[in-house]
Amino acid sequence: AQSVTQPDIHITVSEGASLELRCNYSYGATPYLFWYVQSPGQGLQLLLKYFSGDTLVQGIKGFEAEFKRSQSSFNLRKPSVHWSDAAEYFCAVGHWTGNQFYFGTGTSLTVIP
Amino acid sequence: GAGVSQTPSNKVTEKGKYVELRCDPISGHTALYWYRQSLGQGPEFLIYFQGTGAADDSGLPNDRFFAVRPEGSVSTLKIQRTERGDSAVYLCASSLGQGSGMNTEAFFGQGTRLTVV
Repeated sequence: AQSVTQPDIHITVSEGASLELRCNYSYGATPYLFWYVQSPGQGLQLLLKYFSGDTLVQGIKGFEAEFKRSQSSFNLRKPSVHWSDAAEYFCAVGHWTGNQFYFGTGTSLTVIP
Repeated sequence: GAGVSQTPSNKVTEKGKYVELRCDPISGHTALYWYRQSLGQGPEFLIYFQGTGAADDSGLPNDRFFAVRPEGSVSTLKIQRTERGDSAVYLCASSLGQGSGMNTEAFFGQGTRLTVV
């Protein structure tokens, strides 16, 4: 069965510091992988996605993620965090024939000055 | 419209009442999804429409939940005999539908926060 694990429930980083949010998935085939961000009271916004090709994908707001098949991981990174990055981050895996997206439980990011 | 629109944005109802939540997808998107997000959790899949038909309703928790999309555009999620445990944010998303991988990107609405008291 498809599943997504985000092992870190909550992360606190200082503004300007680097960030890595972990995501591990379980999937029977080549996965389509996504990272979404959700600010308080807002809908889910797509940060980036991986379908195929280059395993390092660039997204909006300076985020990037790397697909590592051997580790079943799709970790999200940002070299320098801004206070406005404080939000909830969700990793998701999707299956194109079913068009279903399975989300992780999310990682809450706090940015301190 | 430019994005996925969900109405109402907030709904408070009494236990046992019937509620309807509406989703207006992006024009031209054939696929539509409903998700439920409980406090502190990630969104959980409820149902997926391809056009007018429910292609997968395996996520609906019980027969009190039902969704329709009669004309292949607007969808309504219906909950009968609401229970306090139904309180959550109900998210709707739409996408271009099956096809190439690029078409699986889903765009989400801001959700309807349902509170059952």
